[in-house]
Amino acid sequence: ELKVEQNPLFLSMQEGKNYTIYCNYSTTSDRLYWYRQDPGKSLESLFVLLSNGAVKQEGRLMASLDTKARLSTLHITAAVHDLSATYFCAVDAGSGTYKYIFGTGTRLKVLA
Amino acid sequence: DGGITQSPKYLFRKEGQNVTLSCEQNLNHDAMYWYRQDPGQGLRLIYYSQIVNDFQKGDIAEGYSVSREKKESFPLTVTSAQKNPTAFYLCASRPAGANVLTFGAGSRLTVL
Repeated sequence: ELKVEQNPLFLSMQEGKNYTIYCNYSTTSDRLYWYRQDPGKSLESLFVLLSNGAVKQEGRLMASLDTKARLSTLHITAAVHDLSATYFCAVDAGSGTYKYIFGTGTRLKVLA
Repeated sequence: DGGITQSPKYLFRKEGQNVTLSCEQNLNHDAMYWYRQDPGQGLRLIYYSQIVNDFQKGDIAEGYSVSREKKESFPLTVTSAQKNPTAFYLCASRPAGANVLTFGAGSRLTVL
């Protein structure tokens, strides 16, 4: 059974600081996704990573994928308050299943 | 505007009652999904459907049932067999061959 773990679960950081969220998964997969959820809201897609070594950047967020290590990172550069949200990674279980397993989420709070 | 409509947004149920959550999409997406979200546990997959008249169990299907009689609709019934149904339920959809999920706004079910 595919398991997806994120750490940390909670992250409180000052504006202007850098930090990294980690997503580990338990089986072979080369498709990984990052989503953002604002409090009480639904999820929206941030990044789609479809191969080993893939790197995507949008504003202050950068995501990368290492399929050999079964690890993805979401790096936050010079955090601002607007980035406060919960971030989820999700992994495709593979073999053409299109079955997406989500991590536990990282709740990020950026303090002004 | 295209999107996913979930209803009701809030629902209260007495123990022992079945309840059906509606999910309708006008995106012409082929695949639809139901996830359950609990604090600290991320999103867990209940059921998913790749095409009309076909669906697969996710990781926590016990106590739930679904149907997929129309492409645009994927209702979820929470039965009395579900021991701890209080949660936030999210419906999502995906076009054929694509990887990113589009989510609805969610339904919050509370069992009294």
